[in-house]
Amino acid sequence: QVQLHQWGAGLLKPSETLSLTCGVSGASSSGYYWSWIRQPPGKGLEWIGEISHSGTSNYNPSLKSRVTMSVDTSNNQISLKLTSVSAADTAVYYCAKLGGTWLQPLKFFDHWGQGSLVTVSS
Amino acid sequence: DIVMTQSPDSLAVSLGERATINCKSSQSLLYSSNNKNYLAWYQQKPGQPPKLLIYWASTRESEVPDRFSGSGSGTDFTLTINSLQAEDVAVYYCQQYYGTPRTFGQGTKVEIK
Repeated sequence: QVQLHQWGAGLLKPSETLSLTCGVSGASSSGYYWSWIRQPPGKGLEWIGEISHSGTSNYNPSLKSRVTMSVDTSNNQISLKLTSVSAADTAVYYCAKLGGTWLQPLKFFDHWGQGSLVTVSS
Repeated sequence: DIVMTQSPDSLAVSLGERATINCKSSQSLLYSSNNKNYLAWYQQKPGQPPKLLIYWASTRESEVPDRFSGSGSGTDFTLTINSLQAEDVAVYYCQQYYGTPRTFGQGTKVEIK
């Protein structure tokens, strides 16, 4: 079955760059679209963006200027970079697989990573 | 952005009774070309990632118990949990995938009365 395993730095200082990676097993990263979603402690879910292996991407306009997503098909990994972080970026970050296929993506999330808590504090 | 508003924010239901969660979108999620509503529901238990329950407003994901059902069209949707079980205690979110950015409701917390 599809499994997503995330890793990356959990404590950042303001102005640093958040970097997370999501390893995929049970599916090919080139076969689907992938998303990152975040959840501030005790709050709701915020979509960060989505990407396919071909580089086709959509980002949330609220974060677009600071976000870069990429797919490494050789290692079956998806990555997220968020620059110039502040305390407002403190959240649990999730990678997620979109439904459908990369040719016909369905933009809901049928598999999720375990989540990575990123705390931004000076 | 399409705004998703859930009601209530929380509810307490007795074991074996029905829980009903509403979700309203700021614009229609019904795509006329395929007559499908671009609405999904998720369940999130404490310390866990969300889990997909329903998509296309009413299609149950595989292995989701049939006590979970979704209904509605256009801008008004409902998630119903029939015969609530202890393991259904969670926060439930609706999500629209009609437009970008994808947006979620604020969540509804379901507890046992």
